[in-house]
Amino acid sequence: EIVLTQSPATLSLSPGERATLSCRASQSISSFLAWYQQKPGRAPRLLIYDASIRATGIPARFSGSGSGTTFTLTIDSLEPEDFAVYYCQLRSAWPLPFGQGTKLEIK
Amino acid sequence: QVQLVESGGGVVQPGRSLRLSCAASGFTFSDYGMHWVRQAPGKGLEWVAVIWNDGSNNYYVDSVKGRFTISRDNSKNTMYLQMNSLRAEDTAVYYCARDSGGQLLLRNYFDLWGQGTLVTVSS
Repeated sequence: EIVLTQSPATLSLSPGERATLSCRASQSISSFLAWYQQKPGRAPRLLIYDASIRATGIPARFSGSGSGTTFTLTIDSLEPEDFAVYYCQLRSAWPLPFGQGTKLEIK
Repeated sequence: QVQLVESGGGVVQPGRSLRLSCAASGFTFSDYGMHWVRQAPGKGLEWVAVIWNDGSNNYYVDSVKGRFTISRDNSKNTMYLQMNSLRAEDTAVYYCARDSGGQLLLRNYFDLWGQGTLVTVSS
C-alpha cells in the first residue's frame, strides 16, 4: 500500500509570504496526485489535480509541481483566507490514500 | 445549484447500524462516480468507498469491508452508505464527494463535497 507523507506538519508564515508544502510518496505515482484545502468545520476543496493542474476557480497563486515520489504545493503571496489545513491525495491506487495534512497557520 | 447534502448521521451504540444518504442536485448525477470520505474528530481524511456511476462496481477501504455497503438510486439522485456492526473507530464526519471524472469516467479525485454528517458510535 502506497503511503503519502506530508511535511512539515505545521507551517507558520505571515500574509504576503510564500508557502511551500511537500508530499512524498512511498513509491512512484507518476503525476496522479491532488491537493485539497480544508478550513475548520468545512468540507475540503479541490485545489490541484494531476500534480499541477488548478481546479476550476482556484486562484493562480496556488501551484503544484512534481512527479514520481516528490510533490510540492506552492502558495505565492499568502492571503488571510489561505490559512488552513492542506492534504495531498493519490488517485491511482486503492484505497486512495491521503497524506496526514499540513497545517498552515498565521505567524 | 450544484450541491451534495448528506443526512442520516447520529449517535449509535457499538454493533448497531446506520444508513447515510447523500442527495445530489444541479448536475447529472448518473454521469458521475461517487465516494464517501470520512474524518475522525481532530484527524485527517480517510477515503471509505466508491461506486461507479451506474452502480455496477464499488471498492472499499479494508477496515469497512463486509460491514459497509455503498449503493445509489439514480432515479432519486441519491447515494447511500449502509453501515452495519459499527465500532467506536467508525466515529467520524462522513462526507459524500463527487468524482471529478464525469462523462462516465472515474478519475478518483473529489471535486464536489457535501457538508458532512457526524456519526458517533458510543455506548
